Amino acid sequence: EVQLVESGGGLVRPGGSLRLSCAASGFSFSSYSMNWVRQAPGKGLERVSSITIAGTYIFYADSVQGRFTISRDNANNSLYLQMNSLRAEDTAMYYCVRENYYDSSGSLFDYWGQGTLVTVAS
Amino acid sequence: QPVLTQPPSVSGAPGQTVTISCTGSSSNIGADYDVHWYQQLPGTAPKLLISSNNNRPSGVPDRFSGSKSGTSASLAITGLQAEDEADYYCQSYDTSLSAVFGTGTKVTVL
Repeated sequence: EVQLVESGGGLVRPGGSLRLSCAASGFSFSSYSMNWVRQAPGKGLERVSSITIAGTYIFYADSVQGRFTISRDNANNSLYLQMNSLRAEDTAMYYCVRENYYDSSGSLFDYWGQGTLVTVAS
Repeated sequence: QPVLTQPPSVSGAPGQTVTISCTGSSSNIGADYDVHWYQQLPGTAPKLLISSNNNRPSGVPDRFSGSKSGTSASLAITGLQAEDEADYYCQSYDTSLSAVFGTGTKVTVL
């Protein structure tokens, strides 16, 4: 059974830092691109960052470019998101998501974690 | 960031059919990339509902169906049930080599 379990969320003051982790199991982690997708309270989904299998291609949304860093440890089946210079608008549920490039017709997000809540407030 | 447009809300009585549109452009849906749909029940993570335009993963009821034409796609829910009340998101791929989400639609069962 595929499982993605996030941790590391919490309350942090503006300007502070947090490191999110995602523990993956039940599949060959090193064979899939991985993503962080967030959802602000009452809002839609925003793809924050993604990383390919070997980490050779990394995507960041404009809203987090220069402040967030995604990384992965294939040996330990783990995904990370280092978040620095946090702002109130970063308050959201953060989901760890597996991205499946099934063929040339695109990709889909076939497994989602339960999410970890990040609250940025003074 | 979302580049796929959905209606904010749709509603219907139990047993009725509701349809959710997802409008993109020539750089995503119109570029022949597949469209996928996700269901997010209240307080839970999104779940893949329809893959590759019209395929239902195991366990998804057949009252959910998808279609795609040109630069748009649609999700239909026939025989609407109370447990279908949720938020629904479409997703495709873009020529910028990035996955893109829709704006999301809240389905209300009257």
